[in-house]
Amino acid sequence: NAGVTQTPKFRILKIGQSMTLQCTQDMNHNYMYWYRQDPGMGLKLIYYSVGAGITDKGEVPNGYNVSRSTTEDFPLRLELAAPSQTSVYFCASSYQGYNEQFFGPGTRLTVL
Amino acid sequence: QKEVEQDPGPLSVPEGAIVSLNCTYSNSAFQYFMWYRQYSRKGPELLMYTYSSGNKEDGRFTAQVDKSSKYISLFIRDSQPSDSATYLCAMGGNNRLAFGKGNQVVVIP
Repeated sequence: NAGVTQTPKFRILKIGQSMTLQCTQDMNHNYMYWYRQDPGMGLKLIYYSVGAGITDKGEVPNGYNVSRSTTEDFPLRLELAAPSQTSVYFCASSYQGYNEQFFGPGTRLTVL
Repeated sequence: QKEVEQDPGPLSVPEGAIVSLNCTYSNSAFQYFMWYRQYSRKGPELLMYTYSSGNKEDGRFTAQVDKSSKYISLFIRDSQPSDSATYLCAMGGNNRLAFGKGNQVVVIP
């Protein structure tokens, strides 16, 4: 039981490039989330999903897109990367709603 | 007023001391209260979870919730160097989870 896994661990992008952050969970959780964490700023919700085929925006969705074709996978797409997207990105999942979320190890992204 | 307030610290204590952390919140809809521990360059991990006012103990950790005052606390007894981490409070309700900014704790041997 690996829990929540994320790839890659680190990435450096140039301004304007695109990339996809991968997230997979093996706990059969319906709910999945993407957060970004900036120093001293806590966790900000980017997008979330309540099940396969259903996604919705969080508080900071601009510049990102998501899809949820399976229960296990919840990739986050960055289009036209900007320096403001430099952050640590965490994927999380939970069984019931917004409680007891389990986090992945994070992806550290730098946009130069 | 921010939805969740958590003084970011940092907090340095000697080994064996009691660590006291707290958060306040403004949204009465929050029904679930959590504390996460985050080691450097790792993802947050759930430490304590409660959904009612009162105390909950788990080993050296005690979580306290006072819904009437909208105030939650985490106490760490007999603190160890391995407790050095950032501690984030989180509140859930109405299909939302709001996090505090995190409190960095350093336990000095």
